[in-house]
Amino acid sequence: GQQLNQSPQSMFIQEGEDVSMNCTSSSIFNTWLWYKQEPGEGPVLLIALYKAGELTSNGRLTAQFGITRKDSFLNISASIPSDVGIYFCALLSRSGAGSYQLTFGKGTKLSVIP
Amino acid sequence: NAGVTQTPKFQVLKTGQSMTLQCAQDMNHEYMSWYRQDPGMGLRLIHYSVGAGITDQGEVPNGYNVSRSTTEDFPLRLLSAAPSQTSVYFCASSSGQRNTEAFFGQGTRLTVV
Repeated sequence: GQQLNQSPQSMFIQEGEDVSMNCTSSSIFNTWLWYKQEPGEGPVLLIALYKAGELTSNGRLTAQFGITRKDSFLNISASIPSDVGIYFCALLSRSGAGSYQLTFGKGTKLSVIP
Repeated sequence: NAGVTQTPKFQVLKTGQSMTLQCAQDMNHEYMSWYRQDPGMGLRLIHYSVGAGITDQGEVPNGYNVSRSTTEDFPLRLLSAAPSQTSVYFCASSSGQRNTEAFFGQGTRLTVV
């Protein structure tokens, strides 16, 4: 399977601080995705990136697709308590059967201290 | 608007028991998939389906069976539960194979004792 490394594994930050997390892959991909999972819920898509170098924002969230197409980062500015959750990067890759699969990183667990 | 509905939300099984985790979506999505989530492991793909009557294996298919007789439903069967299958299971659907917005259910927390 694909090697997808996400860091950091967990973060404890003060409310109002900025957050940065990233993912790297062992291969080149055409689509990077960032999901957020809140406690007791399934993941929800935050941002999708389709082109190398693409920088996309969603409110206080900003994600970039690395130029090498092997990495991506997610920044959260001015964190608030509702940012708590697990953030996953994911890749869309073609399977041997010709269909597409999502491969997820292991997640970054974010805790925000009020 | 229901989206993706998983039942049950919680289940305890004894080793060797069988059960079916239900997943239904009302968005007419072609693509459905099952993941398991274990601490520190992210979400790993078990099985997926690109349409009614078509299923395929993901990264961790052993011990699980699936079928897709209708567009709406994609049940996951454990024929003989093992403690290693203790996990949180998520079903997801999307409108096409390359559609990146997968919609997830709320999960089923399964404990095998």
